[in-house]
Amino acid sequence: KQEVTQIPAALSVPEGENLVLNCSFTDSAIYNLQWFRQDPGKGLTSLLLIQSSQREQTSGRLNASLDKSSGRSTLYIAASQPGDSATYLCAVYNQGGKLIFGQGTELSVKP
Amino acid sequence: EAGVAQSPRYKIIEKRQSVAFWCNPISGHATLYWYQQILGQGPKLLIQFQNNGVVDDSQLPKDRFSAERLKGVDSTLKIQPAKLEDSAVYLCASSLEGLAKAFFGQGTRLTVV
Repeated sequence: KQEVTQIPAALSVPEGENLVLNCSFTDSAIYNLQWFRQDPGKGLTSLLLIQSSQREQTSGRLNASLDKSSGRSTLYIAASQPGDSATYLCAVYNQGGKLIFGQGTELSVKP
Repeated sequence: EAGVAQSPRYKIIEKRQSVAFWCNPISGHATLYWYQQILGQGPKLLIQFQNNGVVDDSQLPKDRFSAERLKGVDSTLKIQPAKLEDSAVYLCASSLEGLAKAFFGQGTRLTVV
């Protein structure tokens, strides 16, 4: 059974710092992996989708990497801003297209 | 491009009552998901549709939850009767097909008192 873990559960950093969020999964036979952002009381906003054949994806200040063999993905946020404060969720896709989520990392960027 | 639409945004009901949620996916998206997100946790899949067929409903409490997707477009999720532990945000998502990028709606926050 696939399990997804995100560490740390919460993170507080000063504005301007570069940071890394971690996501690990127990079964390396995943298809794709997607990172989401969730603001309080809101739905999920897609950030990056990494296909199983890719090792990373970049969008603006965000870079996500995927290492299937080690069962890990990281989301790198450069030059963090207070507006980046949110909960970040990773989800892995199994063969049938089912997304299995981690519990999220709550990020707080202090001005 | 219009996103995934859900209604209502909020619902408060008493235990043992029934409730229904509605979802309109992005046009042309064949795959539709319903997720339950309890406060402080990641979303948990309840049911996944491909067009109007069920792909996965292994975690749907079928004694009280039901879902349908008529004509492979809109979907409704129903709870009858509701329990206190059903208090959560119910998220609907859609994608072009199973492994494509998933897009989520704003969710329906259900409080059972």
